Amino acid sequence: DAKTTQPNSMESNEEEPVHLPCNHSTISGTDYIHWYRQLPSQGPEYVIHGLTSNVNNRMASLAIAEDRKSSTLILHRATLRDAAVYYCILRYGEETSGSRLTFGEGTQLTVNP
Amino acid sequence: NAGVTQTPKFQVLKTGQSMTLQCAQDMNHNSMYWYRQDPGMGLRLIYYSASEGTTDKGEVPNGYNVSRLNKREFSLRLESAAPSQTSVYFCASSVDRGLEQYFGPGTRLTVT
Repeated sequence: DAKTTQPNSMESNEEEPVHLPCNHSTISGTDYIHWYRQLPSQGPEYVIHGLTSNVNNRMASLAIAEDRKSSTLILHRATLRDAAVYYCILRYGEETSGSRLTFGEGTQLTVNP
Repeated sequence: NAGVTQTPKFQVLKTGQSMTLQCAQDMNHNSMYWYRQDPGMGLRLIYYSASEGTTDKGEVPNGYNVSRLNKREFSLRLESAAPSQTSVYFCASSVDRGLEQYFGPGTRLTVT
């Protein structure tokens, strides 16, 4: 199974951009890159996902390297509410594999006021 | 829309007792999932149901059973609880397999 590697923790200041990196060097051609975040004492929350092209939504942007071996989640202006554990997950694209999301340990983001 | 709801929020069991964790979603989603999260770790998939009437094992199914009662409800049963099953349990749903999942608030279970 393809695996992701993320830093254990990162810090940012409020209202500054945050770039959260993820390495996935063994990604296969059909794997989608998903990002979820988990606020304290809550269930995970979907953030964004992509396959090959960069993606934007109201929460964040996802920049995917041309070789797809790494990606970066970008929060354009961090707020205190963005303090959470961020998970980078590869979701198997083959229908027969079901829909397993394999969560690693994620990156704990601290946002300083 | 309540989204994904789970009951109970907290539960303490003695070793060997049984219980069922309930999960319901009101988003008309086809797929539902049960995960567990141990302290300081990511989530691990226990069982999932790709559609009504089907269930499949995930990464850590031993000691658990599931029932997809109807399209809305997916329950997780512990027949004989063990201390190793102390964890936070999350239920999730998605429109279909592979699409973004929506999570419930979790059930914190302690087995003594």
